[in-house]
Amino acid sequence: DVKVTQSSRYLVKRTGEKVFLECVQDMDHENMFWYRQDPGLGLRLIYFSYDVKMKEKGDIPEGYSVSREKKERFSLILESASTNQTSMYLCATNIRAGYTFGSGTRLTVV
Amino acid sequence: AQSVTQLDSHVSVSEGTPVLLRCNYSSSYSPSLFWYVQHPNKGLQLLLKYTSAATLVKGINGFEAEFKKSETSFHLTKPSAHMSDAAEYFCVVSARNYGQNFVFGPGTRLSVLP
Repeated sequence: DVKVTQSSRYLVKRTGEKVFLECVQDMDHENMFWYRQDPGLGLRLIYFSYDVKMKEKGDIPEGYSVSREKKERFSLILESASTNQTSMYLCATNIRAGYTFGSGTRLTVV
Repeated sequence: AQSVTQLDSHVSVSEGTPVLLRCNYSSSYSPSLFWYVQHPNKGLQLLLKYTSAATLVKGINGFEAEFKKSETSFHLTKPSAHMSDAAEYFCVVSARNYGQNFVFGPGTRLSVLP
């Protein structure tokens, strides 16, 4: 089975800090995604990547950037964290059969 | 463009009674449809998927869903709810001609009462 690992389960950061959320997958999949999950809004796509060094904006990219230097690793970067970025962040990889998600990182910005 | 509507934000059933979670979609292309489940403090797990084969799809844990093109629906059902079914359920649509991006519905929280 594909395994998607997010490095932190819980994070608390201060407003203005630069924040890195790391995601690693072990199945050599090309597609990787970052979503945020908020109550009543479901999952919203922030960024995705089809291959190394490739990235595409999703539906809500503002305030975020990403890095894909190696196929197995997809990092989400909050350049200057704000309180409205407090959320659950989910990394995923997929093939046509569906997604595999990481366990999520619950980020609180204070 | 694709979109997904989950008609109920919260459904409450008694243990042993049937479960119905409703999902309607819109898609410019032939869709693939999925149901995912998320238990508290856990990641999302694939329950079942429709990708243009049989319209009645069976998934894990006794769940099934029926693709009805005329109604643009993909409702999730289970004949008898179990306490362990209490979770958040997400309906997801992907246009097969559109690429790999999926669109998630807002979710339905299922509560199961003893």
